[in-house]
Amino acid sequence: QVQLVQSGAEVKKPGASVKVSCKASGYSFTRYYIHWVRQAPGQGLEWVGIIHPSGGSTSYAQKFQGRVTMTRDTSTSTVYMELSSLRSEDTAVYYCARGGSEPYSTFDYWGQGTLVTVSS
Amino acid sequence: QSVLTQPPSASGTPGQRVTISCSGSSSNIGNNYIYWYQQLPGTAPKLLIYKNNQRPSGVPDRFSGSKSGTSASLAISGLRSEDEADYYCAAWDDSHWVFGGGTKLTVL
Repeated sequence: QVQLVQSGAEVKKPGASVKVSCKASGYSFTRYYIHWVRQAPGQGLEWVGIIHPSGGSTSYAQKFQGRVTMTRDTSTSTVYMELSSLRSEDTAVYYCARGGSEPYSTFDYWGQGTLVTVSS
Repeated sequence: QSVLTQPPSASGTPGQRVTISCSGSSSNIGNNYIYWYQQLPGTAPKLLIYKNNQRPSGVPDRFSGSKSGTSASLAISGLRSEDEADYYCAAWDDSHWVFGGGTKLTVL
């Protein structure tokens, strides 16, 4: 069965960086895009960006351009999302989600989420 | 401010039919599929409806989706207590994904 397992919760200080991992299993890792979506406490969903595990191509939401980097390790079927210059507004649960074979195909399976807390 | 507009709340009694609307524009809903997600408290979102009106396996046929122009709606018939959750619409918009602000459904 398709599974996306994310790394554990993180607490970071303002200005620091955080790197969250998402390990995929149960399907052909290089065939499907992986999206990152975040949810601030009590708020709605916000799309962060997307990576294709095969070639590593990425596309980020304009809001996060210059601060987010998505990478992948095909040997371990793991995708990473690194967010830098953290501020309190980045406190949120970050989800990875499997997309389709095209970037406009929606996310069908989700990870359990990783809480990132930014606090001095 | 979300790109897609949803009512913040909706409610119904068990057995009723409720609908949740989602309004957008030609760059998102008007020219792309709409998707719906259900998020139970403390859990990750779950795909409920894809490509406007298709249900993934395992989703009861009490849930249905429709789209017309730049608006879409999710209908839940035979409302049950376990349907109490947040519901989000989503669509591709040029080169990125956009979501609605979410609708909190309360089963009275």
